[in-house]
Amino acid sequence: NAGVTQTPKFQVLKTGQSMTLQCAQDMNHNSMYWYRQDPGMGLRLIYYSASEGTTDKGEVPNGYNVSRLNKREFSLRLESAAPSQTSVYFCASSLEDNEQFFGPGTRLTVL
Amino acid sequence: GQQLNQSPQSMFIQEGEDVSMNCTSSSIFNTWLWYKQDPGEGPVLLIALYKAGELTSNGRLTAQFGITRKDSFLNISASIPSDVGIYFCAGQVQGAQKLVFGQGTRLTINP
Repeated sequence: NAGVTQTPKFQVLKTGQSMTLQCAQDMNHNSMYWYRQDPGMGLRLIYYSASEGTTDKGEVPNGYNVSRLNKREFSLRLESAAPSQTSVYFCASSLEDNEQFFGPGTRLTVL
Repeated sequence: GQQLNQSPQSMFIQEGEDVSMNCTSSSIFNTWLWYKQDPGEGPVLLIALYKAGELTSNGRLTAQFGITRKDSFLNISASIPSDVGIYFCAGQVQGAQKLVFGQGTRLTINP
């Protein structure tokens, strides 16, 4: 089992560019999540998906969109990147609504 | 929104010392989780707690679910260099999809 995988590991964008962060899990989990982590801010929830076909906003959804492509995959899209979106992005999944397992993260810099 | 206060924010200890950290909230939680994050990695689940008063160990780590259900504690005994990292608490209100994370405790160990 690979657990939760994320691609890419690193990305540098210019302001206004778009990109999609990919996440996949092989644990047959129902729920998936996207977080961002900034220094001194802990982990903040961007979007989550309780099941295939459903998505809901978290604490900081502005500037992002998500797609729950199937049970395994949950992608995060930045349509027009801004420097404030420079961060480390983590995907997570859980079977029930409790123990979440995290991927290794994507380090994004927006110039 | 719900917030978790995690303390201390950072700790500098000598190898072999015991470590204690805690999280408190104004809300009642039904689940408490403790995670560890190594540099450049995603958080890894250490201990999950589901019942008030519950005391659970994982090797040298011991965590407790506070009786009031508003707090949780993590202790590390006889610290070793690989304990270095950031420790996060996370709580979940019953029926809520989302976890609330603390700000983290950064542990540094002097050999």
